[in-house]
Amino acid sequence: GESVGLHLPTLSVQEGDNSIINCAYSNSASDYFIWYKQESGKGPQFIIDIRSNMDKRQGQRVTVLLNKTVKHLSLQIAATQPGDSAVYFCAETTALLTGGGNKLTFGTGTQLKVEL
Amino acid sequence: NAGVTQTPKFQVLKTGQSMTLQCAQDMNHNSMYWYRQDPGMGLRLIYYSASEGTTDKGEVPNGYNVSRLNKREFSLRLESAAPSQTSVYFCASTRGRDRSNTEAFFGQGTRLTVV
Repeated sequence: GESVGLHLPTLSVQEGDNSIINCAYSNSASDYFIWYKQESGKGPQFIIDIRSNMDKRQGQRVTVLLNKTVKHLSLQIAATQPGDSAVYFCAETTALLTGGGNKLTFGTGTQLKVEL
Repeated sequence: NAGVTQTPKFQVLKTGQSMTLQCAQDMNHNSMYWYRQDPGMGLRLIYYSASEGTTDKGEVPNGYNVSRLNKREFSLRLESAAPSQTSVYFCASTRGRDRSNTEAFFGQGTRLTVV
């Protein structure tokens, strides 16, 4: 049968603080991990990705950490701003043996609320 | 640049009716996906197409069928709509073959209500 969806957890932070959003993944064969941001009423937008042979990658105000030992991924947002309020999803890609494409699977998201 | 275009944006169906959600991308991407997102929840993969000519089931395929019409277009069909299929549907695409480029581009979503 179909799996039951999970309600999103919420992280509340003060404006200017750093935010840390966590994600657990399940497939040890996944070779890329990605973070997406989804604002209300819109589709998800790419933030940053990390390859499975790396453990850290930095972007503008964001850092992604990967711990393959425990299959854990985190997104750190520095100096959180009101515009960062959104739902954040991690995703993993697995190479497909046929067709040369990817399978992209999303994890359960986290609602980030920035308080003024 | 249009990116990923989904139609329609909104739809109300009666239980038992059928409909097809259309999706097209103009980025020459190989892989395309259909997700559903229920209120306050994450995205669940319905079906995907790794490349033209192939389709595979995702997490929640029951009640849906798909067609990868060509490289650009990937449609999702509900043969007999049920209230449990009330959701927001997103189509997405990725380059696919070059796995170093993982960015997925999403359509605006289709808000479907089944009464």
